[in-house]
Amino acid sequence: EIVLTQSPGTLSLSPGERATLSCRASQSVSSSSLAWYQQKPGQAPRLLIYGASSRATGIPDRFSGSGSRTDFTLTISRLEPEDFAVYYCQQYGRSWTFGQGTKVEIK
Amino acid sequence: QVQLVQSGAEVEKPGASVKVSCEASGYTLTNYFIHWVRQAPGQGLEWVGIINPSDGRTSYAQKFQGRVTMTRDVSASTVFMDLSSLRSEDTAVYYCARMQGPARDAFDLWGQGTMLTVSS
Repeated sequence: EIVLTQSPGTLSLSPGERATLSCRASQSVSSSSLAWYQQKPGQAPRLLIYGASSRATGIPDRFSGSGSRTDFTLTISRLEPEDFAVYYCQQYGRSWTFGQGTKVEIK
Repeated sequence: QVQLVQSGAEVEKPGASVKVSCEASGYTLTNYFIHWVRQAPGQGLEWVGIINPSDGRTSYAQKFQGRVTMTRDVSASTVFMDLSSLRSEDTAVYYCARMQGPARDAFDLWGQGTMLTVSS
């Protein structure tokens, strides 16, 4: 099983700041089969990024993804108030597994 | 409107079974695979398994093998997840989610979630 480790566990930032979230895989993720999701309290997750760097439909361009093999990054260029949430990475190259999540909170 | 609508909250006793439904609307169920994912209170996301609504083929996470069964009713545009031998650790929100591509891919559409509470 491919284990995904996200860091940091919590990121405390102010609106307008840049957020950088990391996701590290225990094995190489084939074909950049890596996605990012946003989840707000009481809601289902929402797909943000797939294929490591492709934005899902309707996702603002302040969200961007990068990386390959075992190291991936989600960047939010300028945090908006609605961006404070928990973010999960997911690999789908070999079965499907999720990271443990990074909470982006208001500083 | 394209959506997945799940059945309501359930409360079950340890050892019992539960069946959760997920109805697709606004698109053809058989065109996309459906996954089930669960989230224990305050915890992260855990993949449970996948069903191909077109032919009913399934694959389950090893952790749930022998306890989970996924089925579908194409005429009702609905997939089901049965979980048996329930224990307190199965208390979680269970989500169905649509896989966006024909092969291994991300999940682009999610149900609203079904809260399962296992308690004596």
